[in-house]
Amino acid sequence: DAGITQSPRHKVTETGTPVTLRCHQTENHRYMYWYRQDPGHGLRLIHYSYGVKDTDKGEVSDGYSVSRSKTEDFLLTLESATSSQTSVYFCAISEPRQGFMNTEAFFGQGTRLTVV
Amino acid sequence: EDQVTQSPEALRLQEGESSSLNCSYTVSGLRGLFWYRQDPGKGPEFLFTLYSAGEEKEKERLKATLTKKESFLHITAPKPEDSATYLCARGIREKLTFGTGTRLTIIP
Repeated sequence: DAGITQSPRHKVTETGTPVTLRCHQTENHRYMYWYRQDPGHGLRLIHYSYGVKDTDKGEVSDGYSVSRSKTEDFLLTLESATSSQTSVYFCAISEPRQGFMNTEAFFGQGTRLTVV
Repeated sequence: EDQVTQSPEALRLQEGESSSLNCSYTVSGLRGLFWYRQDPGKGPEFLFTLYSAGEEKEKERLKATLTKKESFLHITAPKPEDSATYLCARGIREKLTFGTGTRLTIIP
């Protein structure tokens, strides 16, 4: 298994509170991603990072922010949690190969977040 | 719009009954087509990457193929342990766009 650890694995929080999810990798991969997975929508990209301090938005970035101060850590923050952010969150990593625009991503085990 | 469509949404097969799952995409300029397996409560597990039309990859009872507009995941003589949700994703500009998956159930 790729060395990806997500924490916490489960969290229940109240509406309006800030929440931070952590992704830690031991593979030294350049790219890191945060996805959410909801029934009927599949996996949707929230934010991604292509290097330390280099991040960009995905398709569902509203209400989320990210930070990457070290290669191995990528944090996802819900600034003020809402019930619509109840979901399963997955972190993924990938390493580009010369000559290929995209390479496979490896996923963590997920964090189940419930906002009440 | 960049879309990835998987069909069928769900498939039930008897053990040993071969079939195929479909993944189609609407935007040209493919930069990789990826297949994953996901078990309940777990993260997606990488299976295959395909880059060129005509390319094929195999692993045990699974074979992935790619044309210019779609990919197929063929499963031959499946076993109950092949039951899972199978996801495909297309690559574009360092990101992967996923379909909603096919939930495969193999009945003993």
